[in-house]
Amino acid sequence: DGGITQSPKYLFRKEGQNVTLSCEQNLNHDAMYWYRQDPGQGLRLIYYSQIVNDFQKGDIAEGYSVSREKKESFPLTVTSAQKNPTAFYLCASSIFLGSGEPYEQYFGPGTRLTVT
Amino acid sequence: AQSVAQPEDQVNVAEGNPLTVKCTYSVSGNPYLFWYVQYPNRGLQFLLKYITGDNLVKGSYGFEAEFNKSQTSFHLKKPSALVSDSALYFCAVGGGFKTIFGAGTRLFVKA
Repeated sequence: DGGITQSPKYLFRKEGQNVTLSCEQNLNHDAMYWYRQDPGQGLRLIYYSQIVNDFQKGDIAEGYSVSREKKESFPLTVTSAQKNPTAFYLCASSIFLGSGEPYEQYFGPGTRLTVT
Repeated sequence: AQSVAQPEDQVNVAEGNPLTVKCTYSVSGNPYLFWYVQYPNRGLQFLLKYITGDNLVKGSYGFEAEFNKSQTSFHLKKPSALVSDSALYFCAVGGGFKTIFGAGTRLFVKA
């Protein structure tokens, strides 16, 4: 999982509470991403950021928010508006030199969020 | 629009036998293709990628993938499977924020 840390590994919350997932990288990558993984559905992009203080919605951004105040950090907040928040959340980073470049992503170990 | 498909939910092989995990893609223009592996409760690890050039791409842990433009495929292969290769494998197309992941294929290698 080299160079990307996510905490906590497991997180339990009550319905209606906001929760923030941490993601830190020391790879000096400009681009960072948040994905949601559900069984049998692969990975779906929530948000991404290509530069500090800028981020864009991915395919399933509703009910989530992010910030990118530092190059190393890209925290994800799962809000109470997210209707089905229980999932495995993966943070990733990559080199960014322009749009559509074919750089691979490096992933953190993930946070498994359970909301009851 | 780009898309990628992994037609098999699970692949079972015996240790020492060759393995193949299938992937087909649909893109307009030249494809950028990737393979990642995920072990239980872990993040994805990059295995290899095809950008251009040789159709046979070599990657980590003895894996390789064959790009076939006419069949729009990018199958992952290994000549001799290990029990430790048992994991979830994802094919992906694109790159960066444009990456589209397949649904994954679970590889089970039996001793």
